[in-house]
Amino acid sequence: DAGVTQSPTHLIKTRGQQVTLRCSPKSGHDTVSWYQQALGQGPQFIFQYYEEEERQRGNFPDRFSGHQFPNYSSELNVNALLLGDSALYLCASSLSKTGGETQYFGPGTRLLVL
Amino acid sequence: SQQGEEDPQALSIQEGENATMNCSYKTSINNLQWYRQNSGRGLVHLILIRSNEREKHSGRLRVTLDTSKKSSSLLITASRAADTASYFCAPLRTGANSKLTFGKGITLSVRP
Repeated sequence: DAGVTQSPTHLIKTRGQQVTLRCSPKSGHDTVSWYQQALGQGPQFIFQYYEEEERQRGNFPDRFSGHQFPNYSSELNVNALLLGDSALYLCASSLSKTGGETQYFGPGTRLLVL
Repeated sequence: SQQGEEDPQALSIQEGENATMNCSYKTSINNLQWYRQNSGRGLVHLILIRSNEREKHSGRLRVTLDTSKKSSSLLITASRAADTASYFCAPLRTGANSKLTFGKGITLSVRP
């Protein structure tokens, strides 16, 4: 049973560029959440996708957008990258019918913006 | 906010000792979860305790929950060097808009 997978593992971009991060949820899970974790901080909730719709969103600007596909996989897009977007981006999946209680995290994508 | 606040921020102990970590929160919850994060990697779910439970065990882990004080503690007994990691608590109110909200976590160092 594959767990949550994310790609790529590392990424280097320059300011102003755009980036797309990908996530495949744990088998059987239908909900995907994205988090940003800056160095030395806890993960901060970006948004959550269920049934291909953004169900809720944290305090992040519109430069952060996402998508969920029919197979429940998801993408996180960040436009007009800023230096402050450098962070570990975590994807987590859960099962909606259980209330999304336990979330299973992927290994993350480390993004460095120069 | 459902965010938990972990205490202490950092903890250093000798292998074999017990580690106690605390979490406080401000709103009513349905459950509280503890996660572990090894350096620079994803979070791993450790244990979930529901609001109607007071104590729960899983291997060397013991979690308590006091909803009247809005606090929880995670005890790791007989610690090992491999327990070195960051630990986060996540109080949760379940429902359609449930989401995990994390604090800064506790950095646990277990010296061999």
